[in-house]
Amino acid sequence: GNSVTQMEGPVTLSEEAFLTINCTYTATGYPSLFWYVQYPGEGLQLLLKATKADDKGSNKGFEATYRKETTSFHLEKGSVQVPDSAVYFCALSDLDTGRRALTFGSGTRLQVQP
Amino acid sequence: EAGVVQSPRYKIIEKKQPVAFWCNPISGHNTLYWYLQNLGQGPELLIRYENEEAVDDSQLPKDRFSAERLKGVDSTLKIQPAELGDSAVYLCASSLNMRTEAFFGQGTRLTVV
Repeated sequence: GNSVTQMEGPVTLSEEAFLTINCTYTATGYPSLFWYVQYPGEGLQLLLKATKADDKGSNKGFEATYRKETTSFHLEKGSVQVPDSAVYFCALSDLDTGRRALTFGSGTRLQVQP
Repeated sequence: EAGVVQSPRYKIIEKKQPVAFWCNPISGHNTLYWYLQNLGQGPELLIRYENEEAVDDSQLPKDRFSAERLKGVDSTLKIQPAELGDSAVYLCASSLNMRTEAFFGQGTRLTVV
């Protein structure tokens, strides 16, 4: 079946540091890949997505590239800020398998210190 | 435009009691999802509706959980009786269809004591 593996947190960085959160996946078909973010006290929000190999999703300074050869979708940001502190979830959606809902990783908590 | 609305935000009940959660999806969204999120984990699908039809409920523990989506709009998720292990956040999400982005509500945090 489908699965998503993320690096464990918390990840603690100083402001303006470079961020990488690793995400790898297993899927039987050709999934779409997503990063969702959950700010404290709020619901999940879509951060970015990529629907096919080599696509790059980007939003709010965050980027992730769909790498089919390494089955990865790592999240990066060049300079994090305190408001980026949140929990980040990598997810996939594989319409080909009939399980047409998101499969999530366990989440990675990011803490950015001033 | 209003997002996905869930109520209540928080609920504390004693074990063996019933509990119900309500979700109002974004207007016009045909697909509705209920997810379970345990502490420190990612959400896991409980049930997916296409309009009023439950098309994927394979992960719903049917001995104690039930759900309905009357008229293909609002939905309720019920647990009867609740167990200690049901303490979690219950998330509702909706999308135009199964191929488009899902929007999530803020969730209902259930504590069973």
